[in-house]
Amino acid sequence: KQEVTQIPAALSVPEGENLVLNCSFTDSAIYNLQWFRQDPGKGLTSLLLIQSSQREQTSGRLNASLDKSSGRSTLYIAASQPGDSATYLCAVYDTGGFKTIFGAGTRLFVKA
Amino acid sequence: GAVVSQHPSWVICKSGTSVKIECRSLDFQATTMFWYRQFPKQSLMLMATSNEGSKATYEQGVEKDKFLINHASLTLSTLTVTSAHPEDSSFYICSARDHTSGVAYEQYFGPGTRLTVT
Repeated sequence: KQEVTQIPAALSVPEGENLVLNCSFTDSAIYNLQWFRQDPGKGLTSLLLIQSSQREQTSGRLNASLDKSSGRSTLYIAASQPGDSATYLCAVYDTGGFKTIFGAGTRLFVKA
Repeated sequence: GAVVSQHPSWVICKSGTSVKIECRSLDFQATTMFWYRQFPKQSLMLMATSNEGSKATYEQGVEKDKFLINHASLTLSTLTVTSAHPEDSSFYICSARDHTSGVAYEQYFGPGTRLTVT
């Protein structure tokens, strides 16, 4: 059974810092991995999607990497801003059950 | 990118009544839609997978008679919470896959519906 873990559960950093969020999954048989952002009381915003054949994707200040063999992904946020404060969710589309499994998320707070 | 809408965005109902939530894919056809629920400060829990024209597949522990799912067209799926109770209060989010988008299995999420049962 696929399990997705995100570390840390919460993170507080000063504005301008570069930071890394971690995601690990137990079964490497995945179609893709997606990173989402969720603001309090809101829905999900897709940030980056990495297909199983890819190793990384970049969008602006965000870079996500995927090491399928070791079951790990990282989301790198450069020059963090207060507007980056949100919960970041990692999700894998599992080939076994054809389902998307979410991690518990990392709550990020960027202090001005 | 593809857009998924949900209606209503929030709803308050009395215990014992039923509530219907709609999920629409606005600019693509979705043969598969998913329904999730999210409790405060927790992650998304998959409730069921909805396939157009067939019965939904429910996750273990989800009562199919309580959470009725209908996927009557390629752009619309509905979730009906029957005989709602306060413990059904939650944030319900739907998503859809656009299998023709060229991006393998990317999932698009609706904005969510906050249900409060009094």
